[in-house]
Amino acid sequence: DTAVSQTPKYLVTQMGNDKSIKCEQNLGHDTMYWYKQDSKKFLKIMFSYNNKELIINETVPNRFSPKSPDKAHLNLHINSLELGDSAVYFCASSRLGQGAQGTEAFFGQGTRLTVV
Amino acid sequence: SQELEQSPQSLIVQEGKNLTINCTSSKTLYGLYWYKQKYGEGLIFLMMLQKGGEEKSHEKITAKLDEKKQQSSLHITASQPSHAGIYLCGAEGSARQLTFGSGTQLTVLP
Repeated sequence: DTAVSQTPKYLVTQMGNDKSIKCEQNLGHDTMYWYKQDSKKFLKIMFSYNNKELIINETVPNRFSPKSPDKAHLNLHINSLELGDSAVYFCASSRLGQGAQGTEAFFGQGTRLTVV
Repeated sequence: SQELEQSPQSLIVQEGKNLTINCTSSKTLYGLYWYKQKYGEGLIFLMMLQKGGEEKSHEKITAKLDEKKQQSSLHITASQPSHAGIYLCGAEGSARQLTFGSGTQLTVLP
């Protein structure tokens, strides 16, 4: 009955491979996000989708492509993986609405990606 | 762009002690969120502050936002091992994305 679920939880892959991380939320939220947490635990926004439309695309290499088939899903596809892509990737969701109570973001458990 | 600075970076306290974590923003905060992260897990929402001078409490954790809305503090009273983890403050952006501070690693010794 997880609110925001990501799969897989761990992903080990070789350089140059293409991989996908899936995210699903069952909270009825209209906005979903991908964040990246580096080895120093610094968490940074990558993408944000509202109602399947891309609204934030931070300075992220073109090798990263988010895809939102519907409001409840936001997947992250990564092409030609590099060593520097190793990190923990978090999916999150929220309701759009500035700072109102009950609009906090809910985070998934994270996907630990290791590129070897 | 907005930057958040958290201090201290790490904190080790004896169980039962009080502690405070600070979060300072380079710009006025319109929504300030506190999250906790345990190793290998996702972020757990603690509290959100929006108004200058606002203060919220939940169990033994109290968060405050200063009048100028550029600084927030998180205070834990009578810490317990269950409080251990990484505490992150996050500033809300125009599209509700969060810009996070660098985090504070809290260790509580039994």
